[in-house]
Amino acid sequence: GQSLEQPSEVTAVEGAIVQINCTYQTSGFYGLSWYQQHDGGAPTFLSYNALDGLEETGRFSSFLSRSDSYGYLLLQELQMKDSASYFCAVIDDYKLSFGAGTTVTVRA
Amino acid sequence: SQTIHQWPATLVQPVGSPLSLECTVEGTSNPNLYWYRQAAGRGLQLLFYSVGIGQISSEVPQNLSASRPQDRQFILSSKKLLLSDSGFYLCAWSVPPDRGPLREQYFGPGTRLTVT
Repeated sequence: GQSLEQPSEVTAVEGAIVQINCTYQTSGFYGLSWYQQHDGGAPTFLSYNALDGLEETGRFSSFLSRSDSYGYLLLQELQMKDSASYFCAVIDDYKLSFGAGTTVTVRA
Repeated sequence: SQTIHQWPATLVQPVGSPLSLECTVEGTSNPNLYWYRQAAGRGLQLLFYSVGIGQISSEVPQNLSASRPQDRQFILSSKKLLLSDSGFYLCAWSVPPDRGPLREQYFGPGTRLTVT
């Protein structure tokens, strides 16, 4: 089976940088994805890592270390609209297993 | 472009009543389809997934069932709802393996179910 750990909550001010860590234990691994979910909405895809290293998409970056079973999502230049829950998800063949999510609160 | 629809958006049902939630995808063929449940403030729990018509895999034993009567239609059902079935139900699709590795899933707007 799969097990993912990520912090439950993070609070930061506008303009700051936030790093959300994700560690995983899995029987099968094809990659690590990140999703954003605003309150009451559906999750939306942010980023994907299949290989070690950093992937950058605008203000958001994601990192993966397969040997350490570890990844993180980096949110830069935080904006109020970034207040949401962020989920890491392990990809195992044709299905995803999600972490419990990290609630990011951005303060003015 | 591809779109995914779910209905109803909200539902209030008494304990012991039946349930039928529908999900349809447009603009793609032979998608992989998924049902998730999300309890308040929690992560997404995979309930069922399907790689083709009539092919259903169950991840969690429970009183729910799923069916895929058509290529782009996925239905979640229950004969008798329990209080613990309350939650936010999300349908999602992804490209099938013959069109590339699973990289991301596309979620529908969800159905918020309250069992009273």
